[in-house]
Amino acid sequence: EPEVTQTPSHQVTQMGQEVILRCVPISNHLYFYWYRQILGQKVEFLVSFYNNEISEKSEIFDDQFSVERPDGSNFTLKIRSTKLEDSAMYFCASSDQGMRQPQHFGDGTRLSIL
Amino acid sequence: AQSVTQLDSHVSVSEGTPVLLRCNYSSSYSPSLFWYVQHPNKGLQLLLKYTSAATLVKGINGFEAEFKKSETSFHLTKPSAHMSDAAEYFCVRGGATNKLIFGTGTLLAVQP
Repeated sequence: EPEVTQTPSHQVTQMGQEVILRCVPISNHLYFYWYRQILGQKVEFLVSFYNNEISEKSEIFDDQFSVERPDGSNFTLKIRSTKLEDSAMYFCASSDQGMRQPQHFGDGTRLSIL
Repeated sequence: AQSVTQLDSHVSVSEGTPVLLRCNYSSSYSPSLFWYVQHPNKGLQLLLKYTSAATLVKGINGFEAEFKKSETSFHLTKPSAHMSDAAEYFCVRGGATNKLIFGTGTLLAVQP
């Protein structure tokens, strides 16, 4: 069965550094998402991406965050200047259609900010 | 605001006994609802989905859920728990846009 793959599985970064989290969505999917889960908290939506542009973003997704689909297969989340509170599990997801359809998630990247 | 509420943060059952994980959603137009499972150090796996077809939805690994509009509930059940069912379960709704809204999760423990 096709999978969403995320790399790396664990990223450790110094506060203030830039970090790029990478995702390869399922190949025929058109909608891409990032979510995060801070330890002990619920999974939160960050951003959705369709047709090479952001279709929706949450309040969390401020100017330090950006997403990109640099080629036909990768989907990246960049955090420009990391803060301690960015430590979380980041999940990438994709779907073949938009509303009312399930999303398929990767195994996540655990981001630890020191 | 659209939301889902998972009434139990922890549920413990014995192997071979039924499982009931409860979920209520905030009332709105007919929502899309999902259950996802997360095993330790793994991603979120779709168990089942409700998207306004049959109200009783069957999923993988013997799980099913019933959409009850009158009770705004979408509880997850399984007749007989297996040790491998131990995981965290999330009730999730689709909103007015593409984003998913997650419940706080229920950690299911299965005792031998």
